[in-house]
Amino acid sequence: LAKTTQPISMDSYEGQEVNITCSHNNIATNDYITWYQQFPSQGPRFIIQGYKTKVTNEVASLFIPADRKSSTLSLPRVSLSDTAVYYCLVGDYSSASKIIFGSGTRLSIRP
Amino acid sequence: IAGITQAPTSQILAAGRRMTLRCTQDMRHNAMYWYRQDLGLGLRLIHYSNTAGTTGKGEVPDGYSVSRANTDDFPLTLASAVPSQTSVYFCASSPQGTGNPPSRRYFGPGTRLTVL
Repeated sequence: LAKTTQPISMDSYEGQEVNITCSHNNIATNDYITWYQQFPSQGPRFIIQGYKTKVTNEVASLFIPADRKSSTLSLPRVSLSDTAVYYCLVGDYSSASKIIFGSGTRLSIRP
Repeated sequence: IAGITQAPTSQILAAGRRMTLRCTQDMRHNAMYWYRQDLGLGLRLIHYSNTAGTTGKGEVPDGYSVSRANTDDFPLTLASAVPSQTSVYFCASSPQGTGNPPSRRYFGPGTRLTVL
């Protein structure tokens, strides 16, 4: 089971690009990388998912190097509303119990 | 479309009492999950169900039971509540519970449970 390591917290300012890196040195061949966002008093919300290279959607980009031992979530031009906890998950969805939420990265955006 | 509803929103419970947290989804998802989140920590999987009629144990199943009689409902029961079960409980669902690429999980609003 691939363990993930993320920074505990990060600070940034409105309008900046924010990059949150997740380390997963033991990622397995079948594992995908998924990021969730959680606002206070709410359940997590899916942001983006990828297997290799780069994935982009309307909210974020996910960069995965060739060795897949890390991944970077990129949030362009953040606003105050992006203040949240961001979770990096790595796992093979062949069994639900293999997917582990770590403690996440607490991102604080300032005016 | 409501998505996932959970009830109650919050509850204060005396230790030793039995409690059932309700979860209903209207997306016809095959898989459903129960997580607990303690203050300042990530989510831990309690139980899951990949399809109606089947259930499985997650990371922290002790003290909890679940049933999945139909697609829409996935209740979580605490047979005899203890203070260490004080937590926020999130129910989630996904179109599929297995297979790659993984199905994204949709979370409910949570139930805040305090056991005294």
